[in-house]
Amino acid sequence: SQKIEQNSEALNIQEGKTATLTCNYTNYSPAYLQWYRQDPGRGPVFLLLIRENEKEKRKERLKVTFDTTLKQSLFHITASQPADSATYLCAATGSGGGADGLTFGKGTHLIIQP
Amino acid sequence: KAGVTQTPRYLIKTRGQQVTLSCSPISGHRSVSWYQQTPGQGLQFLFEYFSETQRNKGNFPGRFSGRQFSNSRSEMNVSTLELGDSALYLCASSSGGPLEAFFGQGTRLTVV
Repeated sequence: SQKIEQNSEALNIQEGKTATLTCNYTNYSPAYLQWYRQDPGRGPVFLLLIRENEKEKRKERLKVTFDTTLKQSLFHITASQPADSATYLCAATGSGGGADGLTFGKGTHLIIQP
Repeated sequence: KAGVTQTPRYLIKTRGQQVTLSCSPISGHRSVSWYQQTPGQGLQFLFEYFSETQRNKGNFPGRFSGRQFSNSRSEMNVSTLELGDSALYLCASSSGGPLEAFFGQGTRLTVV
């Protein structure tokens, strides 16, 4: 079955450094990959979407890449701040768009240390 | 504009009972999806509705059902509750295209 895998261990990064989170997919060829941020007790918040024919997308301090050969997406936060501490979820969907539903990874807990 | 609203926020039910959860999407959004989130399984897709029609369903038993009304508001129902149904249930709305889903704060269901 299709699977989205994220590093389940917490990622500790020093403030000001670049945080890089990994999302790998198997048995799947998603048309879109999305990244969401989730804080405790709250619903996920959409951050970025990248299409399979796009290599890279940027938004302010955020950058996401999509490598269909490696079956991997990387999510970068540059100049990280303690306020960036949260769980980051990778989600994939097929060409049917929202109708396919999103397949989520279990998320990576990011901790930015001052 | 107002975000996605889910009610109630918290719910405690007994095994064997049924429960109905409600979701009001962002105004103008016609697609509503439901997800179950547990510590062990993460976020799992339940179903998606668009213009009152269920377009897709995840791998959940028939005890989980939903519907969407003409004003795009959606409800999901779980019958014959089991302890394993304890979870955070999240609703997400979108305009229907890909795919930037806006999530509500969720309903925390506890089955005892």
